[in-house]
Amino acid sequence: AQSVAQPEDQVNVAEGNPLTVKCTYSVSGNPYLFWYVQYPNRGLQFLLKYITGDNLVKGSYGFEAEFNKSQTSFHLKKPSALVSDSALYFCAVRDIAELIFGQGTELSVKP
Amino acid sequence: EPEVTQTPSHQVTQMGQEVILRCVPISNHLYFYWYRQILGQKVEFLVSFYNNEISEKSEIFDDQFSVERPDGSNFTLKIRSTKLEDSAMYFCASSPSRGLADSYEQYFGPGTRLTVT
Repeated sequence: AQSVAQPEDQVNVAEGNPLTVKCTYSVSGNPYLFWYVQYPNRGLQFLLKYITGDNLVKGSYGFEAEFNKSQTSFHLKKPSALVSDSALYFCAVRDIAELIFGQGTELSVKP
Repeated sequence: EPEVTQTPSHQVTQMGQEVILRCVPISNHLYFYWYRQILGQKVEFLVSFYNNEISEKSEIFDDQFSVERPDGSNFTLKIRSTKLEDSAMYFCASSPSRGLADSYEQYFGPGTRLTVT
C-alpha cells in the first residue's frame, strides 16, 4: 500500500532562514507525490507535484521540493522563510484515484 | 481563477439526523472526491466519483454515506444518520482527469465543518 510519512509534527524557523519540511514515501511502482498547504480555517492549497522528470520541482510561493529515489524522500524547501509561510503542510502520494496524506507538519516562522 | 466551492461552511446537527454537504466542482473537471479531516488528524479519502458513479471508496465510506451529482454542477455528500464520530471537516475536491500527468493534482474546496451533537 502507498503511504507517506512526515517525521516532524512541528518545524520552527526564523524569518529569512531556509526551511525544510520532510516527507518520506513508500510506494509500489512510480510515485506521484504532492505537497499541499493548509492555512487556518481554510482548505488545502496545491503547492507542487512530482510526476516524472527533474528531481527538483518548483512550485507556488517560492517553494520547491527534491525527489530522491534512493532515500525515498520528497522534502519541501524554501531558501528564505516568510512569517506568512506559517501553516500546516501536507505531503501526499497518489494511489489510483485518491490522495493519501501524511499527518502534516506545522511550520512556524518567527520574525 | 476557477475554484471549488462548498456550502455550508459550518453545519451543526443532532446525532441521528441526515445531513447533505454540497460542493460545486470546477466546471470542466470530470473527477470528484470527498475527504474528511477529523480535528487534529490527517486528511482521509472517502470516495471518488466519475461518470455518475463511484469509482473508488475507502473503508470509512460505509452504507451511511452516499454521493450524488444531481445536476451538471453540484456534487453532494449525504450522511444518512449522523454519529458523533462523523464530526469533522469535509473537503470536496475535483480534477480534470486522471489520464494525463498535468491533471493529477486535485483542487480542494474550503471545507464544511460538520459538528454532530
